[in-house]
Amino acid sequence: GEDVEQSLFLSVREGDSSVINCTYTDSSSTYLYWYKQEPGAGLQLLTYIFSNMDMKQDQRLTVLLNKKDKHLSLRIADTQTGDSAIYFCAESYSFASGGSYIPTFGRGTSLIVHP
Amino acid sequence: GAGVSQSPSNKVTEKGKDVELRCDPISGHTALYWYRQRLGQGLEFLIYFQGNSAPDKSGLPSDRFSAERTGESVSTLTIQRTQQEDSAVYLCASSSGTGGMGGELFFGEGSRLTVL
Repeated sequence: GEDVEQSLFLSVREGDSSVINCTYTDSSSTYLYWYKQEPGAGLQLLTYIFSNMDMKQDQRLTVLLNKKDKHLSLRIADTQTGDSAIYFCAESYSFASGGSYIPTFGRGTSLIVHP
Repeated sequence: GAGVSQSPSNKVTEKGKDVELRCDPISGHTALYWYRQRLGQGLEFLIYFQGNSAPDKSGLPSDRFSAERTGESVSTLTIQRTQQEDSAVYLCASSSGTGGMGGELFFGEGSRLTVL
């Protein structure tokens, strides 16, 4: 079955770059996602990448995908205290029976940004 | 409201009691998902609805767990004879479809269940 792994904690200084890493096992993954969960709130989609891409940039966020190694990373440039949250990596693939996608999530990486 | 709404936000119950958790998805979203998040763990997939049908129930941990959806809207997750290991945050999400990128999942804030 599928499995998504990521480190549990990352601590960075404000203004530095943060890199959150994720590995997954399902080679048939079609989409890979990064979700952000702020305290007391639900998960929100930050960005996603299609499996035939190797990089996607969106303002301060850069997603890198190494499909051969099944490795996904999220880089946050100029990290701010407001970026402190839990970041979840997720993958999804299409169910044969209906074309439905059910994302599988990692355990989440707690990003702590200190002044 | 415009987002996914879950109730209750917090529920404390005694072992052996039944509980019902409710999810109101975003209006018009055809897909609805239930996940469980135990302390320090990732999101564990429980069940998925497309319309009112559940094509995949494989994630339900035991026959004490059941879920239904009516009117392609509200969903209820029922846990019978609760056990302490059922303590977790139960997250509901909805999305607008199953094609394309699979649809961004919009999550509620979760229902925190504590079984004493």
